[in-house]
Amino acid sequence: ETGVTQSPTHLIKTRGQQVTLRCSSQSGHNTVSWYQQALGQGPQFIFQYYREEENGRGNFPPRFSGLQFPNYSSELNVNALELDDSALYLCASSIPYRGQNTEAFFGQGTRLTVV
Amino acid sequence: AQTVTQSQPEMSVQEAETVTLSCTYDTSESNYYLFWYKQPPSRQMILVIRQEAYKQQNATENRFSVNFQKAAKSFSLKISDSQLGDTAMYFCAFPSGSRLTFGEGTQLTVNP
Repeated sequence: ETGVTQSPTHLIKTRGQQVTLRCSSQSGHNTVSWYQQALGQGPQFIFQYYREEENGRGNFPPRFSGLQFPNYSSELNVNALELDDSALYLCASSIPYRGQNTEAFFGQGTRLTVV
Repeated sequence: AQTVTQSQPEMSVQEAETVTLSCTYDTSESNYYLFWYKQPPSRQMILVIRQEAYKQQNATENRFSVNFQKAAKSFSLKISDSQLGDTAMYFCAFPSGSRLTFGEGTQLTVNP
C-alpha cells in the first residue's frame, strides 16, 4: 500500500448538495492531483495542487474546487452535485521532476454516489 | 492534446501463460515517461512499470516487461507466468505537465 490516504471511502449524497473529499499525501510529496473515474472508464484529471497553488486543471466546471494545506494534504469540494458526479474519486501524490510526473502514488479512492 | 488508446477492453489468459496488453499514444513531445498501472477490485491504482522515452532499453520488473516502440508510439505490456493475483484492470498512462492521461483500460482475467 502507498502512503496516500483518502476519506471517506464511500459517500452517498443527494443531488444539489455539496461534498468535501479529503486526501493525505505520501510523506515528502508536495504535489497532489485529483482524478474522477466513472464506472468502466479510465481516470480523468480534475486538477493538481503544488505547494498550495492550483497547477493545472482539466475540463471540469468551477463547481469542482480544491485546496492544499501547508502539510500538503488536500481537499476536493464539489458544489451543486449532479447525478453524473457519481464516480470514484482518486487522489495521487507525487514529486515532479523537471515539471513532469515521474511517478504518482494513488490512494484507495472515495466512491461517491449521488441520488 | 495527448491521447492514449487501449484497443482491448477485455482479455483473459490461463494461469502460468503469457499475455500482452496493447497501448498506443499520441504526443509531440520528445522526452517523456510512460506508465502501466494496475487497478484490482480494491480500487487502488498501483504502478506496474515505468519507461523513460529516451532509454532504448525496454523496462522490466520481474514478470512484467514492456515493448516500447517510440517511432510507432506503441507501449505494450507483457505479463509472463500469469498469476491469479494479476486479475485486474490495467491502464496505460502518459504524463504531460501536471496531468496523467489514461487509456480506457483493459480488464485482464487470469483463469486457473
